[in-house]
Amino acid sequence: DVKVTQSSRYLVKRTGEKVFLECVQDMDHENMFWYRQDPGLGLRLIYFSYDVKMKEKGDIPEGYSVSREKKERFSLILESASTNQTSMYLCASSSKFTYNEQFFGPGTRLTVL
Amino acid sequence: EDKVVQSPLSLVVHEGDTVTLNCSYEVTNFRSLLWYKQEKKAPTFLFMLTSSGIEKKSGRLSSILDKKELFSILNITATQTGDSAVYLCVINTGGFKTIFGAGTRLFVKA
Repeated sequence: DVKVTQSSRYLVKRTGEKVFLECVQDMDHENMFWYRQDPGLGLRLIYFSYDVKMKEKGDIPEGYSVSREKKERFSLILESASTNQTSMYLCASSSKFTYNEQFFGPGTRLTVL
Repeated sequence: EDKVVQSPLSLVVHEGDTVTLNCSYEVTNFRSLLWYKQEKKAPTFLFMLTSSGIEKKSGRLSSILDKKELFSILNITATQTGDSAVYLCVINTGGFKTIFGAGTRLFVKA
């Protein structure tokens, strides 16, 4: 059974704090993605990675950075959290052979006060 | 600007009803259209469509793509309470570039 896990389901942070969201997949997938999901806006891509240490900006990378030191792990970093980063964050992974089909983690609901 | 528009935004039906969810798109480079079901947690993959007019079916769910009119529909027949979810339409425009619609929230009443 394929699995994508995220480090926290719910997280509350204060403005200005550094926030780490971790995602781990056990499918040996090459590609990993970070999205945020907001009501009425759908999922928007923040960053993705197609290999270890490789990263590409998505549609809304501002205010975020990522790290992929190991194939199975993709971290999203908010260097200085702001209230407009309150959102649901979803991680996904896909194989380089069937890259269209993404497998999603359960999501982390982040609230920045 | 590329966009994916889903309608309706939300829908309440009774068990046993048939529903049709719509997805229209305007993108500069179309590669494929995907449907996902999102319940309380992670979206799960339903279908991928690349060719016009070919229906994909899985149990009570089916979907078809019209690349001329730039839309797709997702049909659910004999709905059950377990079909309650947000249904996401996604366009792949090449490589890793995907555009998500805002989703249609379906609620099936017992």
